[in-house]
Amino acid sequence: GAVVSQHPSRVICKSGTSVKIECRSLDFQATTMFWYRQFPKQSLMLMATSNEGSKATYEQGVEKDKFLINHASLTLSTLTVTSAHPEDSSFYICSARADGDRTYFGPGTRLTVT
Amino acid sequence: EDQVTQSPEALRLQEGESSSLNCSYTVSGLRGLFWYRQDPGKGPEFLFTLYSAGEEKEKERLKATLTKKESFLHITAPKPEDSATYLCAVQARGGATNKLIFGTGTLLAVQP
Repeated sequence: GAVVSQHPSRVICKSGTSVKIECRSLDFQATTMFWYRQFPKQSLMLMATSNEGSKATYEQGVEKDKFLINHASLTLSTLTVTSAHPEDSSFYICSARADGDRTYFGPGTRLTVT
Repeated sequence: EDQVTQSPEALRLQEGESSSLNCSYTVSGLRGLFWYRQDPGKGPEFLFTLYSAGEEKEKERLKATLTKKESFLHITAPKPEDSATYLCAVQARGGATNKLIFGTGTLLAVQP
């Protein structure tokens, strides 16, 4: 099956700093990628939809200036959490849509803001 | 508003004890219903996509079915390695982004 990678898998940063998370589709091209966050024992909450070469579409309540998304190529999307605070600590997961409707998820990135 | 509800929230089974997980949905035109498996600290792993009422798909001990209002994930003679959270998601027709709307999942524990 198709593979989606994320880097880093875990990151700890200090409050006020910025963190960049990469999402790559390794063996297919993805015109659309999605970013989710997941709190413990909760389901995935969609943050934004990222289309290659255009601006991301953010879900209601997600601050676009805080969560910067760049989809620079058909295999790479990045999420930058700017001026991170402890409440931003979460599990961030990306997904990439292959041909048709099948969507593949990355392994997730655990962000801890101290 | 499109919505997905999964039940039960948690399910504990003995090895070999078959059961079913439920996913009820409300959507303005179903494009597809998806089942995923998620292990702790990992991203969801794709299991099935169902597109129309009456459709069924199988993979090893898992079988997914779909009606106009709900989907079931049947687990036959489960093994401890089937323990995971099972997520259901729907995709609505006509949306600009074709995003997935997830339920809160069912945490399955299979005891040896």
